[in-house]
Amino acid sequence: EAGVAQSPRYKIIEKRQSVAFWCNPISGHATLYWYQQILGQGPKLLIQFQNNGVVDDSQLPKDRFSAERLKGVDSTLKIQPAKLEDSAVYLCASTGVTYEQYFGPGTRLTVT
Amino acid sequence: GDSVTQMEGPVTLSEEAFLTINCTYTATGYPSLFWYVQYPGEGLQLLLKATKADDKGSNKGFEATYRKETTSFHLEKGSVQVSDSAVYFCALILTGGGNKLTFGTGTQLKVEL
Repeated sequence: EAGVAQSPRYKIIEKRQSVAFWCNPISGHATLYWYQQILGQGPKLLIQFQNNGVVDDSQLPKDRFSAERLKGVDSTLKIQPAKLEDSAVYLCASTGVTYEQYFGPGTRLTVT
Repeated sequence: GDSVTQMEGPVTLSEEAFLTINCTYTATGYPSLFWYVQYPGEGLQLLLKATKADDKGSNKGFEATYRKETTSFHLEKGSVQVSDSAVYFCALILTGGGNKLTFGTGTQLKVEL
């Protein structure tokens, strides 16, 4: 069974630029999560999708972050414009019928 | 709000030493508790879990017991190996909380020969 796929693995951008991350969950997993993991901290949930609907986006900075999961499968997280404090690893996870979350390898974003 | 507190790292041990990483939690309901491990350059992997008080989760020689009276879920291993070097995260999910994981800050473990 293929795991959660994310791309790119690394991205370096300048502040005020935009960036997008892609996630393909495990086949058949209805729930998809995006987490932000700042260096030295635990992951923090940004947004949770159930199929193509948003379940929880209470911690998503909506003035600059957006996410979509149009067909209920893969998802894109966008930051526009980026700030220095957005430097972090962005993790995608998915769950199926159980509550166990399977994580992808993450995208390491550096904003200079 | 719900939170998880872990001991700060890095924890440096010699191979075959005994490992304890402390984790305590604060939750308004009855959480399920987890330990995740993150090896260098990789995503998080579920190491073990416990869903109710007095449950013991175990995997790969690691174990942790859900202690409701002390709100703790300490991770232990009797004999660590160099390959156990990683960052370990304690986390909780509240029953009926929409499957939202709340993580601790992580504890880095370094095991030396």
